[in-house]
Amino acid sequence: AQKVTQAQTEISVVEKEDVTLDCVYETRDTTYYLFWYKQPPSGELVFLIRRNSFDEQNEISGRYSWNFQKSTSSFNFTITASQVVDSAVYFCALSELGWAAGNKLTFGGGTRVLVKP
Amino acid sequence: KAGVTQTPRYLIKTRGQQVTLSCSPISGHRSVSWYQQTPGQGLQFLFEYFSETQRNKGNFPGRFSGRQFSNSRSEMNVSTLELGDSALYLCASSLEEGINEQFFGPGTRLTVL
Repeated sequence: AQKVTQAQTEISVVEKEDVTLDCVYETRDTTYYLFWYKQPPSGELVFLIRRNSFDEQNEISGRYSWNFQKSTSSFNFTITASQVVDSAVYFCALSELGWAAGNKLTFGGGTRVLVKP
Repeated sequence: KAGVTQTPRYLIKTRGQQVTLSCSPISGHRSVSWYQQTPGQGLQFLFEYFSETQRNKGNFPGRFSGRQFSNSRSEMNVSTLELGDSALYLCASSLEEGINEQFFGPGTRLTVL
């Protein structure tokens, strides 16, 4: 069975500080996809990144960066120079491959990020 | 391009009633997935439909059902509502089969009294 763990339930930072969100996953599959989503107060989940299990390269997109380490089953997310607009709940998710698995996502419990001005 | 739309946005029902929620995916998307979000259980997968076929189903009782129409619009139905069914129900659509970016709708907030 798949499992995603986000140990940090809430992180509070002051604007311009960096914040790293941890994500640890469990799966018996050798091929899978990992995702990060952002859920602002409005409630809609916003896609941030998708990474497949073959690609362990770190990725940077603006102030966001992701560190994927297959050896430790972790896919951590860093927001650099945080801004108030980054305040949201962030979810890490895992998906199997295969037609039957479809687009089913297994989500972690989420980490609430509060950025204070 | 219009995003995923869900109706209604808010709903209040009483125990024992049934409810139908609707989701219109992004134009051209053939996959629709449903998720339940509660403070206690978090985000949990309900089911996915692709080209009118249920492709995958989560661990929910048979009171939860869904369907997809030929235009890819989807509905989910919950019968004999229980207090624990109070949740935010999110619908997501994606372009094709396989692992794709899923676009989520704003959700339907269901309250069961």
